[in-house]
Amino acid sequence: DTGVSQNPRHKITKRGQNVTFRCDPISEHNRLYWYRQTLGQGPEFLTYFQNEAQLEKSRLLSDRFSAERPKGSFSTLEIQRTEQGDSAMYLCASSSWTSGRGTGELFFGEGSRLTVL
Amino acid sequence: QQQVKQSPQSLIVQKGGIPIINCAYENTAFDYFPWYQQFPGKGPALLIAIRPDVSEKKEGRFTISFNKSAKQFSLHIMDSQPGDSATYFCAAPSDYKLSFGAGTTVTVRA
Repeated sequence: DTGVSQNPRHKITKRGQNVTFRCDPISEHNRLYWYRQTLGQGPEFLTYFQNEAQLEKSRLLSDRFSAERPKGSFSTLEIQRTEQGDSAMYLCASSSWTSGRGTGELFFGEGSRLTVL
Repeated sequence: QQQVKQSPQSLIVQKGGIPIINCAYENTAFDYFPWYQQFPGKGPALLIAIRPDVSEKKEGRFTISFNKSAKQFSLHIMDSQPGDSATYFCAAPSDYKLSFGAGTTVTVRA
């Protein structure tokens, strides 16, 4: 199965530390998304890439957050100086969405759960 | 900022019952209305989707009803089974991304 893969699945860190999550999308997908999900809420959009270009960033993405997709394949999401409010599930999704209207299906990974103590 | 408003927050039904989840939207430019299903510890997965040129779509035991004039769409789970217990999200597209509702946790009791 070559679905979306995320690592690590769980991360516990102390406040103030930096953490990095990795996402390996479905290989033929050109778009890659990062979402954040807290308990009892729907996924909230953070940012997305088309190939290696980061096309949109949410206002939720403070300057402590940075995402890269250096070769248009895997992506990393780094959180610097973590705060307790960063505790959440970080979901990666990929898509072959190409049309100007409508949507392509988003394929999600199983997420990386961050706990900041 | 939420593009879609989903209700109820949670739902409990007996096996064989028909849970109904509703979703309201404002932007009439939306042209695709998906529902995603999420099990604990897993990422959301597309369940069923509808385009606004039809009023209803069925896939197995899952049905979407679309009311363009009311700007609402709903998910019905026919003959619900305990395995359908999950959280369901409606979503709407905007600029190559999806905005999700807050979710409805459905519990189907045996």
